[in-house]
Amino acid sequence: GENVEQHPSTLSVQEGDSAVIKCTYSDSASNYFPWYKQELGKRPQLIIDIRSNVGEKKDQRIAVTLNKTAKHFSLHITETQPEDSAVYFCAAREASDSWGKFQFGAGTQVVVTP
Amino acid sequence: DGGITQSPKYLFRKEGQNVTLSCEQNLNHDAMYWYRQDPGQGLRLIYYSQIVNDFQKGDIAEGYSVSREKKESFPLTVTSAQKNPTAFYLCASTITGGVNGELFFGEGSRLTVL
Repeated sequence: GENVEQHPSTLSVQEGDSAVIKCTYSDSASNYFPWYKQELGKRPQLIIDIRSNVGEKKDQRIAVTLNKTAKHFSLHITETQPEDSAVYFCAAREASDSWGKFQFGAGTQVVVTP
Repeated sequence: DGGITQSPKYLFRKEGQNVTLSCEQNLNHDAMYWYRQDPGQGLRLIYYSQIVNDFQKGDIAEGYSVSREKKESFPLTVTSAQKNPTAFYLCASTITGGVNGELFFGEGSRLTVL
């Protein structure tokens, strides 16, 4: 089955700097890669996703890149703000299930200091 | 308001007791999932279901049971056989077979074994 590894486990950045979180996956057939943000005590919420036929996607201050050959994808947050502080999870959907059995990374705790 | 409702939000259990966590969705989603979240371990899949009266074991199903008698409902029972049940439990749902594979999560249930 799919295995997703996420790094780093914690990330501390100064407000205004950029943050990058990287994930690798094992199943080359996986075709959908979402990123979720979870604030303390709240539910995870989708912030951006990318499909295997796209190399990069951007939405305001956040972007995701996908390298299918190397089997890794990254989340980039520019001009970080205190409200970006949260745990971020990457995930990969196994292509064998059209309805999506997701494997999640272990999460990255991002702390943005003013 | 469409969404996923989990209850109770907090639950305390004595060792040896079974407890049932409720999950109800009014999004008309076909697939429903239960994840367990422990610090530093991301989200691990317990059980999932694509249609009524059908469900599959995830990666950590031992000590848990589920039912799917209605499309809207997917309760999880944590049995006394689960050796370390203290955790945060998240229910999720998604449309099956669709291009958009976004998982929608409930607010979670925090179970503590005394």
